[in-house]
Amino acid sequence: NAGVTQTPKFQVLKTGQSMTLQCAQDMNHNSMYWYRQDPGMGLRLIYYSASEGTTDKGEVPNGYNVSRLNKREFSLRLESAAPSQTSVYFCASSELNRISNQPQHFGDGTRLSIL
Amino acid sequence: SQKIEQNSEALNIQEGKTATLTCNYTNYSPAYLQWYRQDPGRGPVFLLLIRENEKEKRKERLKVTFDTTLKQSLFHITASQPADSATYLCALVSSGNTPLVFGKGTRLSVIA
Repeated sequence: NAGVTQTPKFQVLKTGQSMTLQCAQDMNHNSMYWYRQDPGMGLRLIYYSASEGTTDKGEVPNGYNVSRLNKREFSLRLESAAPSQTSVYFCASSELNRISNQPQHFGDGTRLSIL
Repeated sequence: SQKIEQNSEALNIQEGKTATLTCNYTNYSPAYLQWYRQDPGRGPVFLLLIRENEKEKRKERLKVTFDTTLKQSLFHITASQPADSATYLCALVSSGNTPLVFGKGTRLSVIA
């Protein structure tokens, strides 16, 4: 099994450009998440989807939008990229509708630089 | 304010010793606490989950304790090996359907 697959692995953007980060999971999980990880800040939740058809804001949602395309796929969009959004982005998934007590399975991240 | 603190950014120990990592929290009443391992350039990998009514959980060379009075979890790796070198993250769940909140991690280096 591939688990959680993120594309692309690396991307460089100019300020103001838009971009969509893709995430797909093959574990039939209900819940999916987007995090960013910055040095000294740890993992911070951007948006999550507890189940297909629902999305909710996390700790740092400003500047981002998400789409839960189907049960497998959850995309993250930057409409107008800013240098402050330079980060490593991780997608994760977990079983069941209860998002709190299940282990999360992570992809290997997208490294995004915005110049 | 709510905080999760992991004891130090980096911990160096000799091969064969027991590594002990600390996760302290403030202004949370966690129902669950999870530990993850992260290798450079990779996503975190789940290791162990412990519930608020459990004092201790073990898995092979790993042991996690959870003290709700001290507001602390300890993560132990016994007979440590160089392959255990990684960053270890704790994460907690406050209650209900609230999302996980992660600590910043402790980077462990096991020296042969």
